[in-house]
Amino acid sequence: DSGVTQTPKHLITATGQRVTLRCSPRSGDLSVYWYQQSLDQGLQFLIHYYNGEERAKGNILERFSAQQFPDLHSELNLSSLELGDSALYFCASSVGGGHTDTQYFGPGTRLTVL
Amino acid sequence: KNQVEQSPQSLIILEGKNCTLQCNYTVSPFSNLRWYKQDTGRGPVSLTIMTFSENTKSNGRYTATLDADTKQSSLHITASQLSDSASYICVVKEYNQGGKLIFGQGTELSVKP
Repeated sequence: DSGVTQTPKHLITATGQRVTLRCSPRSGDLSVYWYQQSLDQGLQFLIHYYNGEERAKGNILERFSAQQFPDLHSELNLSSLELGDSALYFCASSVGGGHTDTQYFGPGTRLTVL
Repeated sequence: KNQVEQSPQSLIILEGKNCTLQCNYTVSPFSNLRWYKQDTGRGPVSLTIMTFSENTKSNGRYTATLDADTKQSSLHITASQLSDSASYICVVKEYNQGGKLIFGQGTELSVKP
C-alpha cells in the first residue's frame, strides 16, 4: 500500500459525459501527478501540481483539466468523453517536486467509456 | 523526439534464474533514469532512481546500471522469484522546469516454476 488513495476504483460512463477522478496524496506529500495508461500508448504523464500550483503539463487534452486543493487532494476532470479515453488513470505523489523525488503511485481508476 | 525504448518486449524465465532487461533512451536534457515494477492492474512501484553520475544502483535482488554516454540502462534481476512476474518500466526524467517523465513501453517478465 503506497499511501496514495484514488476514487472511484472503476467508472463506466457513456461518450459525451463528464467525470471527476479524485486523488489523496500520502500524508506530507506536496506534489501530485496524474498519468494515463492505455493498452496501446503505455503510461503517459498528464499534469503535475505542487502545493496547489500547476508545475508541468504533459500530453493532457484540452477536454481534461485538473486542480489541487488547499488540503492537497487533487481532482482530474475529464469532459466530452470519447471511446479512446478508456484507460487506467493513476495519481502519484511525492514529498516535493524535486528531480529525484520518488513518486508513489495510487491503485488507479479504471475508466470505461461506452 | 524524446523516446525511451525497452527490450525485450516480453521474457519468460524459470524460477531461480537471472535475467537482464534493456533500456535505450534519447531524452535530452537528461535528469535521471528510473525503473519501476508494475503488477497487472496496479500502480507502478519505484525500484531505482539514477542520476547522470551514478553507474550502478541496487535494491535487493534488483541491480540497475546506467551508461549516460551511450544512453543505455539495464535492470538485472538475480535469483528470480515467482513474485517477480510483472511489467518492468524504464522511465527517463527530462531536466527542465517541468521535469516531465518519459515512459518506455515496458518489458513483460513471466517467471515460471
